[in-house]
Amino acid sequence: GAGVSQSPSNKVTEKGKDVELRCDPISGHTALYWYRQSLGQGLEFLIYFQGNSAPDKSGLPSDRFSAERTGGSVSTLTIQRTQQEDSAVYLCASTPWSGDADTQYFGPGTRLTVL
Amino acid sequence: AQSVSQHNHHVILSEAASLELGCNYSYGGTVNLFWYVQYPGQHLQLLLKYFSGDPLVKGIKGFEAEFIKSKFSFNLRKPSVQWSDTAEYFCAVNMGHASGGSYIPTFGRGTSLIVHP
Repeated sequence: GAGVSQSPSNKVTEKGKDVELRCDPISGHTALYWYRQSLGQGLEFLIYFQGNSAPDKSGLPSDRFSAERTGGSVSTLTIQRTQQEDSAVYLCASTPWSGDADTQYFGPGTRLTVL
Repeated sequence: AQSVSQHNHHVILSEAASLELGCNYSYGGTVNLFWYVQYPGQHLQLLLKYFSGDPLVKGIKGFEAEFIKSKFSFNLRKPSVQWSDTAEYFCAVNMGHASGGSYIPTFGRGTSLIVHP
């Protein structure tokens, strides 16, 4: 079946512009995560959605970052007034349900470059 | 704060050499442990996981990992690596952190493995 998809695959933007990154999770997966991966760093958790519960936003680095998930499926990560330090690969992952042993299914990522 | 440490950031081996990648975490409670792999140009994917039972778990492509609770470790091993094992390897730990009923894994920084043919 189809895996997690993300778009665009690459995004180059100018400092100060807003960007939107999209994630389509695996159909039927109720949990969705956003991560940021910078060069030489691990995956930095950003935000987590589980069903209709309020999202866990504890990883968002600043109020310039926000995300929403419409209809329990597609999610959009928005970065306002981008800064050069926002340059990274943004990964989305989904899991079938919330639980300790869940395997994360990752998308290919969006490489964001802020000039 | 909880953390996951991968001590080897870059490992270079020749084919047929043995591999061991270290992973340590800092959390005294119940944990679930994962190794993910990212082959060049591919998505991150699960290599193996442990959540209960036999602390020696076997994954795909001949990899295994051993959970040693007393050492807070979950090291990844493979007795004989192949050129195709060249990839980035990430250890992840789900420490049961609950925030509104959610569980968020903590990832290590990753280990880049290069295997020379």
